[in-house]
Amino acid sequence: QKEVEQDPGPLSVPEGAIVSLNCTYSNSAFQYFMWYRQYSRKGPELLMYTYSSGNKEDGRFTAQVDKSSKYISLFIRDSQPSDSATYLCAIQTGGFKTIFGAGTRLFVKA
Amino acid sequence: DAGVIQSPRHEVTEMGQEVTLRCKPISGHDYLFWYRQTMMRGLELLIYFNNNVPIDDSGMPEDRFSAKMPNASFSTLKIQPSEPRDSAVYFCASSRGFLSTDTQYFGPGTRLTVL
Repeated sequence: QKEVEQDPGPLSVPEGAIVSLNCTYSNSAFQYFMWYRQYSRKGPELLMYTYSSGNKEDGRFTAQVDKSSKYISLFIRDSQPSDSATYLCAIQTGGFKTIFGAGTRLFVKA
Repeated sequence: DAGVIQSPRHEVTEMGQEVTLRCKPISGHDYLFWYRQTMMRGLELLIYFNNNVPIDDSGMPEDRFSAKMPNASFSTLKIQPSEPRDSAVYFCASSRGFLSTDTQYFGPGTRLTVL
């Protein structure tokens, strides 16, 4: 079993839709949770970071962590064509290496 | 700052040849990471350095892979001899520290194709 599982998609939605991206993880020792966005032919860039259960909002983006279920989510409200990218969840046990999910490809159609 | 710089952006080589990938981290960043990304395995950490010293190379797949960081502004990842299964996008990233709060900044990647 992989330490971090993420559905690779692709996920295709119309502009303005609410997008839900999810990951599950296996190690309860993981403490830090991140979402990276990767545009085609580019390197990943950090989108959001959280270390506690609950929600964290940043504009149209909300990161949600449920440590009891070992489940993390990224919600995108009012999705735009510019949101079309691959979204990677990333998890870290404090001070150790970061483990990335496989990434979910998202297409937002105008 | 120009961000993390990688070269070349694309490399096509034949099986058995030596390949050298280069990286210039962001000035002032003490940590440098080399990752490999494939469709099958996703983004994998190969090795990381702290202050030019290799700290964890457990992700390096085989002895054919080696990495060096001769100074704070330059690192190389070498594959010798290269094989078709090494075809992937190789990313270099750097960060100020190793805490989860220290953002890793990725370069644009080198797309390697081994024929």
